[in-house]
Amino acid sequence: AQTVTQSQPEMSVQEAETVTLSCTYDTSENNYYLFWYKQPPSRQMILVIRQEAYKQQNATENRFSVNFQKAAKSFSLKISDSQLGDTAMYFCAFMNPREFEIIFGKGTRLHILP
Amino acid sequence: EPEVTQTPSHQVTQMGQEVILRCVPISNHLYFYWYRQILGQKVEFLVSFYNNEISEKSEIFDDQFSVERPDGSNFTLKIRSTKLEDSAMYFCASIRGTNTGELFFGEGSRLTVL
Repeated sequence: AQTVTQSQPEMSVQEAETVTLSCTYDTSENNYYLFWYKQPPSRQMILVIRQEAYKQQNATENRFSVNFQKAAKSFSLKISDSQLGDTAMYFCAFMNPREFEIIFGKGTRLHILP
Repeated sequence: EPEVTQTPSHQVTQMGQEVILRCVPISNHLYFYWYRQILGQKVEFLVSFYNNEISEKSEIFDDQFSVERPDGSNFTLKIRSTKLEDSAMYFCASIRGTNTGELFFGEGSRLTVL
């Protein structure tokens, strides 16, 4: 069975700093998707970034980038120039396209401090 | 931009009552999901639905739960006899195909069981 582990329950950084959220996963599959979702206090889950496992290039979306290490089964999220609006819960998620279940980590609560 | 909509946003019910949570997935999506998030905890998979039947379900999704897509548009989650521990945020999500990756979430329905 696949698992997703987020080892940092909570983090705080100053505005404008860079922060990295860690995520590791376990799977025997070779083809899969990885995601980072943001859940602000408004509660909706918002996709931040996604990575296809067959792509070696790390995904980037503006200030958000990932460090995808397939061999190590690691998928960390880097937020550059952090902003107050980045304050949220961040969930790492794994999807095997041959299955219907998407598995989430326990989340990391990120506080951006003014 | 297309979105998944959920109603009600918040429902309060007495223990033992039946509850129906409704979702309208994105119109060209084929796979539908319900997730649950107990306050402060991880997002848990409940059930996936494809081609008018359940594709996969978790241990949480016991006989008290059922899903259906009665009219080709709405996707409902029914809890027959609510328990206190059913209090949670329930998220509906949809995806066009499992090889496309992105899961679109609704804003969630908060269920409070008294």
